[in-house]
Amino acid sequence: QKEVEQDPGPLSVPEGAIVSLNCTYSNSAFQYFMWYRQYSRKGPELLMYTYSSGNKEDGRFTAQVDKSSKYISLFIRDSQPSDSATYLCAMIRGGATNKLIFGTGTLLAVQP
Amino acid sequence: GAVVSQHPSRVICKSGTSVKIECRSLDFQATTMFWYRQFPKQSLMLMATSNEGSKATYEQGVEKDKFLINHASLTLSTLTVTSAHPEDSSFYICSATGQVRTEAFFGQGTRLTVV
Repeated sequence: QKEVEQDPGPLSVPEGAIVSLNCTYSNSAFQYFMWYRQYSRKGPELLMYTYSSGNKEDGRFTAQVDKSSKYISLFIRDSQPSDSATYLCAMIRGGATNKLIFGTGTLLAVQP
Repeated sequence: GAVVSQHPSRVICKSGTSVKIECRSLDFQATTMFWYRQFPKQSLMLMATSNEGSKATYEQGVEKDKFLINHASLTLSTLTVTSAHPEDSSFYICSATGQVRTEAFFGQGTRLTVV
């Protein structure tokens, strides 16, 4: 079993839709949670960073962490064609290591 | 967010030659840098972790003599692909974290093509 599970998609939605992206994890030692957006042939761009259960909002993006269920989500409101990209969840155990553990990434296509 | 600059963005080299890729953190001190490899439509595969002033720690299956990593300062790490072969063609990405900031920031990536 992978440490971090993420549905690879592809996920196709119409413009303006609310997008829900999810990851589950098995290791309760994970303390820090991130969402990255990666456009084709570019490096990942950090979207959201959280370290506790609950919600964090930034513009059209909301990150949600439920440590008791080992489940994290990223919601995108009013999705735009420019949001079309691969979204990667990532986690860090904390402590002495900053090593990121990635999900496989979900390919999102927002149709105009 | 913090800025990590990776150079070059694209390189084509002949089989048997070596290629050096640079990764610089521009506005923070990167105590740890990571090097990844990414194949098309796949997630990032961690190759090695380097801490400033220390030898890099390589992931299982990654040849340390082929992928030389140097992290001599808090703002610069380099990856040298030695004696490159066509199977080394890939997208290489670095990321950096600091002592204060635990989130990782990524470079733009380097597309290496070995012909």
